[in-house]
Amino acid sequence: SQQGEEDPQALSIQEGENATMNCSYKTSINNLQWYRQNSGRGLVHLILIRSNEREKHSGRLRVTLDTSKKSSSLLITASRAADTASYFCATAPLNQAGTALIFGKGTTLSVSS
Amino acid sequence: KAGVTQTPRYLIKTRGQQVTLSCSPISGHRSVSWYQQTPGQGLQFLFEYFSETQRNKGNFPGRFSGRQFSNSRSEMNVSTLELGDSALYLCASSLVSFGNTEAFFGQGTRLTVV
Repeated sequence: SQQGEEDPQALSIQEGENATMNCSYKTSINNLQWYRQNSGRGLVHLILIRSNEREKHSGRLRVTLDTSKKSSSLLITASRAADTASYFCATAPLNQAGTALIFGKGTTLSVSS
Repeated sequence: KAGVTQTPRYLIKTRGQQVTLSCSPISGHRSVSWYQQTPGQGLQFLFEYFSETQRNKGNFPGRFSGRQFSNSRSEMNVSTLELGDSALYLCASSLVSFGNTEAFFGQGTRLTVV
């Protein structure tokens, strides 16, 4: 079953604009991760934020985590056409031995030039 | 360092047949997980193996099974294929097994059941 729910389901922006995607989840987590997928290919890991962290940056990416609201957001600044892809949040449930991730249904981002 | 390798990339099978998919993790990674991706259900966790032992299992019928070998390579098997098994099957490897590191995904195997 899906734990994460991304919002919006689809997002269309112009190059240079910022893109914000949100993710909500249901149970306590160990960490939350964001992945990118291009056209039904494999997923590429973008960033991992642990449950005791509130914000993390990686290049043009900024992720926030609010465990009290069970939500996270991914901000992509100065978007490029190459950022066009589907973005998924994935949670690692708390106290789970193992690397099973629970994915949301994703946000499809389209960046036009 | 080579990435996660999945073979084959594409498969077409007939209902009722069985299929075996293979995954070679990144060297040194001992955890291998499998996911099914469909347009309707999204990405769903199938199972995870660590040191040849299944650590976690998702909510899939017993027709879906897997195993891991001593070199960490993993296979998953689907028996008595159904049309609904058509999906992209993704394998991911991780360095440790406690969900604290990222998963590295292969390009997937696209299975079509006709």
